[in-house]
Amino acid sequence: QVQLVESGGTLVQPGRSLRLSCTGSGFNFYNYGMHWVRQAPGKGLEWVSVTSHDGSESYYADSVKGRFIISRDNSKNTLYLQMNNVRNDDTAVYYCARVRPLRVLRGWLDTWGRGALVSVSS
Amino acid sequence: QSVLTQPPSVSGTPGQKVTISCSGSRSNVGFNSVSWYQHLPGAAPKLLIYTTNQRPSGVPDRFFGSKSGTSASLAITELQSEDEGDYYCAAWDGAHSVIFGGGTRLTVL
Repeated sequence: QVQLVESGGTLVQPGRSLRLSCTGSGFNFYNYGMHWVRQAPGKGLEWVSVTSHDGSESYYADSVKGRFIISRDNSKNTLYLQMNNVRNDDTAVYYCARVRPLRVLRGWLDTWGRGALVSVSS
Repeated sequence: QSVLTQPPSVSGTPGQKVTISCSGSRSNVGFNSVSWYQHLPGAAPKLLIYTTNQRPSGVPDRFFGSKSGTSASLAITELQSEDEGDYYCAAWDGAHSVIFGGGTRLTVL
């Protein structure tokens, strides 16, 4: 079945870097745009970033622009989020989500992973 | 606008109907399609409604989405205990970002 699994969540100090991964299975990963969405403790969902099916088009929330980089390796069915210069307020569960319809960037998020916890603390 | 406006909480008894509102602006809800997500404790968020009023396969027809101008709504009829959780609306904001609602906690009394 269609599945997304995030990994790479960890405890990290402010100012450091880490990379999250999201591996897709059960579908043709290369056909779908992908999002990162996060949820800070006790807060609601916050959109982070999106990339097109081929990685040629990407956008970021203002809160992460210039610090985070979204990318993908379609040969590995994997989406990445490179998080640089992390701050305390980046502490959250990070979800990846698939875009429908196929090869459309501005669609809806039809399948989500269970999330990876990133804790930023000294 | 940083988030779409939703009521923090709604409640109802089993069998009742509840409605969750989602207020935005012309650049998001007014111009783009709205989607709704259910987030139950310990689970991945789940798509409930897309393109404002369409249900994915497997979502019961008790869930109904609508939109008028810059406001959207999610109606849940025949409320069940398993519906208890958090609900979010979302829309593209212009062409370069996505905006979520602040979330609504549904309590089934």
